[in-house]
Amino acid sequence: QKEVEQDPGPLSVPEGAIVSLNCTYSNSAFQYFMWYRQYSRKGPELLMYTYSSGNKEDGRFTAQVDKSSKYISLFIRDSQPSDSATYLCAMNTGGFKTIFGAGTRLFVKA
Amino acid sequence: GAGVSQSPRYKVAKRGQDVALRCDPISGHVSLFWYQQALGQGPEFLTYFQNEAQLDKSGLPSDRFFAERPEGSVSTLKIQRTQKEDSAVYLCASSLVRIDGSEAFFGQGTRLTVV
Repeated sequence: QKEVEQDPGPLSVPEGAIVSLNCTYSNSAFQYFMWYRQYSRKGPELLMYTYSSGNKEDGRFTAQVDKSSKYISLFIRDSQPSDSATYLCAMNTGGFKTIFGAGTRLFVKA
Repeated sequence: GAGVSQSPRYKVAKRGQDVALRCDPISGHVSLFWYQQALGQGPEFLTYFQNEAQLDKSGLPSDRFFAERPEGSVSTLKIQRTQKEDSAVYLCASSLVRIDGSEAFFGQGTRLTVV
């Protein structure tokens, strides 16, 4: 079993929909939780960064961390075709090694 | 430069050939990370540098993989005697201070294909 599990999708939604992306993990020592967006043939781009449990909002993006359930989520409101990309969750215990999920491919249809 | 720069963008190597992949981090960034991303997978940690010191190389798949950052800026990932299973995108990331990679900026990667 992988340390971080993420549904690969693809997830297809109409423009304007609310998108929910999720990851589960097994290592209770993870403290730092990130979401990256990766366009085709590009490097990952940091979207959201959260320390420990709780919610964080940035524009149309909201990240949630539930450490008791070992479950993290990213919500995208008013989704746009430009949001079409692969979304990677990532987490870290505070050391050098960040563990990534496999990524969820999202398609937002105009 | 404004971002992390990697070269070459694409590399085709014959099995058994040695390759060298270059990473130019953002100027002044202390931390530098190398990751390997297989098709359809997330990046997997290979190694970490703090300035010129390689503090963690636990993710390097075999002793054919070697990384260096001799002057604490540019880094090179070298793969000796390439094998087909080495085909992947190799990503470099740098961070101003943080060691945990939580605020790291990624380059566009080098796509290595071993034939």
